[in-house]
Amino acid sequence: ETGVTQSPTHLIKTRGQQVTLRCSSQSGHNTVSWYQQALGQGPQFIFQYYREEENGRGNFPPRFSGLQFPNYSSELNVNALELDDSALYLCASSLVSLAGTGANVLTFGAGSRLTVL
Amino acid sequence: KNEVEQSPQNLTAQEGEFITINCSYSVGISALHWLQQHPGGGIVSLFMLSSGKKKHGRLIATINIQEKHSSLHITASHPRDSAVYICAVNTGTASKLTFGTGTRLQVTL
Repeated sequence: ETGVTQSPTHLIKTRGQQVTLRCSSQSGHNTVSWYQQALGQGPQFIFQYYREEENGRGNFPPRFSGLQFPNYSSELNVNALELDDSALYLCASSLVSLAGTGANVLTFGAGSRLTVL
Repeated sequence: KNEVEQSPQNLTAQEGEFITINCSYSVGISALHWLQQHPGGGIVSLFMLSSGKKKHGRLIATINIQEKHSSLHITASHPRDSAVYICAVNTGTASKLTFGTGTRLQVTL
């Protein structure tokens, strides 16, 4: 059973650029959620994808967008990068039987650390 | 005021000590998670609970729904337990978690 893998592990961008982060969910999981963790802070929920559709979103602007693919892997895209976007971006997968119901154990990836200069 | 508060923020213990980390929340929840984060970022799920108590090895998690409070206990602590311990709650959408800011635990020899 494979866990959640994220790529790249580290990257550096400059303000105004765009970035795509990738996440392969754990085998058997159908839901992916993304979190932003600034240095010294707890993670903040960005959004969740279930069956290729966005299913819940946190307080993040539209320049944060995502995709989920038929194999349940996912991408997080951030446009017009700002300095405050520098953070660790965590992906977590879970198995949800019906969107929006219940609570599930999450399996987290190791994260992608983004630095915006 | 954050919806999820943890205490203490930092904790130093000697090997073998019994450790307690507390989490209080102010919203209705469907479940509470205890997570462990090591330097470098990776997060491991330790417990998910919605009532009562769970035990895994030297770790014990309890929750009191009426008091909106949970505790994570580590018995016979070891230096490898050194990490940040994060409390998070499910408040709506299945995977939408609201996190506390974490408790940084350092266990010394």
